[in-house]
Amino acid sequence: DTAVSQTPKYLVTQMGNDKSIKCEQNLGHDTMYWYKQDSKKFLKIMFSYNNKELIINETVPNRFSPKSPDKAHLNLHINSLELGDSAVYFCASSQDPRSYEQYFGPGTRLTVT
Amino acid sequence: GQQLNQSPQSMFIQEGEDVSMNCTSSSIFNTWLWYKQDPGEGPVLLIALYKAGELTSNGRLTAQFGITRKDSFLNISASIPSDVGIYFCAGRPFGNEKLTFGTGTRLTIIP
Repeated sequence: DTAVSQTPKYLVTQMGNDKSIKCEQNLGHDTMYWYKQDSKKFLKIMFSYNNKELIINETVPNRFSPKSPDKAHLNLHINSLELGDSAVYFCASSQDPRSYEQYFGPGTRLTVT
Repeated sequence: GQQLNQSPQSMFIQEGEDVSMNCTSSSIFNTWLWYKQDPGEGPVLLIALYKAGELTSNGRLTAQFGITRKDSFLNISASIPSDVGIYFCAGRPFGNEKLTFGTGTRLTIIP
């Protein structure tokens, strides 16, 4: 069984469009994260939610809006997509905010043309 | 923000060789983790370290939490083809709740 899953795996879209990426974890974890990995493979945290509450919000354009309907799901909605948004987006989860053992999903490769 | 420098940036080795890589920071870290990322996949946790000086193994992998709390090391013994990938260190700086990732070490095995 997949522990952390993301959909879609690939997303190709045009500038200006709005898109969403979904994430689900079946590990029973309380905390979920969104990371962005750029073309140089650098991983940077974007957001973190604990039990549906936002606890980390890095300096991310407000075109990015995470939503957590329950603690097993964390979705990422992106408005007005720009070329610079092209990257691989990873969802991750951990037992709680103080557990730094994070488990990652397979990633969503977003390409904005 | 806090940055973690990994060295080397890339490695080209032959199957059966041992591998060493390290991660350094300019400030003290409370937790160190090592991840491996295969192409097209997400990072997978290999080893977690919580105390200065701690030495932990996971099969052929051994990682150490540096005594100064500013570095960590990962060794892979007797490399095999499936060891190919990018290895990332990650750590939690003292007084900071966020996990910071290193720049990665890309391991390639030459036939």
